[in-house]
Amino acid sequence: DGGITQSPKYLFRKEGQNVTLSCEQNLNHDAMYWYRQDPGQGLRLIYYSQIVNDFQKGDIAEGYSVSREKKESFPLTVTSAQKNPTAFYLCASRTQPGERQFFGPGTRLTVL
Amino acid sequence: ELKVEQNPLFLSMQEGKNYTIYCNYSTTSDRLYWYRQDPGKSLESLFVLLSNGAVKQEGRLMASLDTKARLSTLHITAAVHDLSATYFCAVDIKNTGNQFYFGTGTSLTVIP
Repeated sequence: DGGITQSPKYLFRKEGQNVTLSCEQNLNHDAMYWYRQDPGQGLRLIYYSQIVNDFQKGDIAEGYSVSREKKESFPLTVTSAQKNPTAFYLCASRTQPGERQFFGPGTRLTVL
Repeated sequence: ELKVEQNPLFLSMQEGKNYTIYCNYSTTSDRLYWYRQDPGKSLESLFVLLSNGAVKQEGRLMASLDTKARLSTLHITAAVHDLSATYFCAVDIKNTGNQFYFGTGTSLTVIP
């Protein structure tokens, strides 16, 4: 089945640690996205990538980093510089402008 | 800066009633998307509207797009409890890369 997978589903981080969230898609989509959602809030764009080896900052990129070494994969690292990382993180992809984004199931990150 | 606003933010309605959710955006676009999010879950695509006057219907939900007014509506007919969720609209803009702009979300509760 084609789709987007995210792992882990739940992640706990101690203060000062870096953690990496995985996002993989087998839809052959060119563009991939990372969003952050806080309780009762909308989605805020962290980073997006239109092609392999290229990515752009979104509205809240500070404290986060990404890589796009393969078309299928777009991992997000939450660094210790991100002061309030507890949130629900959603990965999405789409093939081209004018097409809908497809979303993964999400990763819920909690800082202990 | 592109803004996408939805109203109402919260909506409580009785089963069997009709209501409309509004999505306004601040710049020219002819591509509008509607998503549904259940509590604690990811986003599910509902509709893609790609031209002025576009209308899409699925069950008790109907979405429309007026690009001249920069307005999309999501109309709910004879609401049932299963429609309780948060609904997001999103816009993307030609020639600004692949970035999506999400609305604030409308939290819908259908009361028996």
